[in-house]
Amino acid sequence: AQRVTQPEKLLSVFKGAPVELKCNYSYSGSPELFWYVQYSRQRLQLLLRHISRESIKGFTADLNKGETSFHLKKPFAQEEDSAMYYCALRYYGQNFVFGPGTRLSVLP
Amino acid sequence: ETGVTQSPTHLIKTRGQQVTLRCSSQSGHNTVSWYQQALGQGPQFIFQYYREEENGRGNFPPRFSGLQFPNYSSELNVNALELDDSALYLCASSDPRLAGDTDTQYFGPGTRLTVL
Repeated sequence: AQRVTQPEKLLSVFKGAPVELKCNYSYSGSPELFWYVQYSRQRLQLLLRHISRESIKGFTADLNKGETSFHLKKPFAQEEDSAMYYCALRYYGQNFVFGPGTRLSVLP
Repeated sequence: ETGVTQSPTHLIKTRGQQVTLRCSSQSGHNTVSWYQQALGQGPQFIFQYYREEENGRGNFPPRFSGLQFPNYSSELNVNALELDDSALYLCASSDPRLAGDTDTQYFGPGTRLTVL
């Protein structure tokens, strides 16, 4: 069965420190991975998708099929990065599985 | 361009009742997905509608059903409510026809359902 795990419920880092939000998935097919973010009092929104290989707000994520991981990284965290982050897997073209989420807290 | 809206914001029902939640997609989006998000968990995919037909379904029983209308609005219906149905229900619209934007789902604010 398809599954997404995010081992950390809460991650606290200091401003300027590197941050890595972990995501692992299980899926026998070709995965499509996404990171979604929800800032305080805002809606869930797409941050980035693996297929685009883009950097959004300084965040990047590389799909590692060997380790079945899609970790989200940023070299220098900012206070405005504090939010809830969800890793998601799309399968069969339209079905989604979301991880439980990691709350990132960037301390001043 | 208008965003995704959902109604009502909050709803309280009792076990065994039926409920209808509504979503108005972003203008022109022909695809809508519904999610259930229990407290402290990530969203769980219920189903997706494309051009008024169910296009994919997660692991939810048949008492969860939906409708999509030509004006880009949609409904989520839940029959025989159970206590575990208490959650935030999110809808998200997208438009696969948009070049370069096929993966972007635009989420609504959600409807919080409480089942007593």
